[in-house]
Amino acid sequence: ETGVTQTPRHLVMGMTNKKSLKCEQHLGHNAMYWYKQSAKKPLELMFVYSLEERVENNSVPSRFSPECPNSSHLFLHLHTLQPEDSALYLCASSQEQSPTSGAGELFFGEGSRLTVL
Amino acid sequence: AQSVAQPEDQVNVAEGNPLTVKCTYSVSGNPYLFWYVQYPNRGLQFLLKYITGDNLVKGSYGFEAEFNKSQTSFHLKKPSALVSDSALYFCAVRDPSGGSYIPTFGRGTSLIVHP
Repeated sequence: ETGVTQTPRHLVMGMTNKKSLKCEQHLGHNAMYWYKQSAKKPLELMFVYSLEERVENNSVPSRFSPECPNSSHLFLHLHTLQPEDSALYLCASSQEQSPTSGAGELFFGEGSRLTVL
Repeated sequence: AQSVAQPEDQVNVAEGNPLTVKCTYSVSGNPYLFWYVQYPNRGLQFLLKYITGDNLVKGSYGFEAEFNKSQTSFHLKKPSALVSDSALYFCAVRDPSGGSYIPTFGRGTSLIVHP
């Protein structure tokens, strides 16, 4: 299997549920990202793990928590979400020469479509 | 701070005609510029990038983009559009010398190619 794989592709959850999104990259990259894509809104960076450094968007609510156990796997843990959190959640990876290189293009997964009831 | 603008929400073009999707950027240092395409219900796919060197960059599916430093632009072009090119296109910028390697994406431009 190649590329970036996201599971599940679709998730429906209630506001009191706890669920997790999973991302796995098979490209040997050293940086992984979570983005949120909502209709009519710009792509929103949520979290980045790059070369053992974590960067987070301070506007992301604490009901979203990332976990990156190794360079190939990334999780987004979800708890007590709100209906406005319904969106497409995209995982991406890239290969960076250093934490501040920035020359690597991002490879995206197909996304996890989340619906919060 | 880095930013990128895609001034058109939608671009319409007839099949066989040339297409241009516009992108302008603002950075404090030298930019790294990228174009991505997103088909419905799919993730983004990388098309091409400019890091350094030749201002004209060629990418996947016959697309190319020209880096223009004086106009701070990186427009995406294709000589002859196909109906299958209809998708959402995103421009992105990174400015490592400005202290941020995190990419900033534009809002996206919907390209519609009419048969």
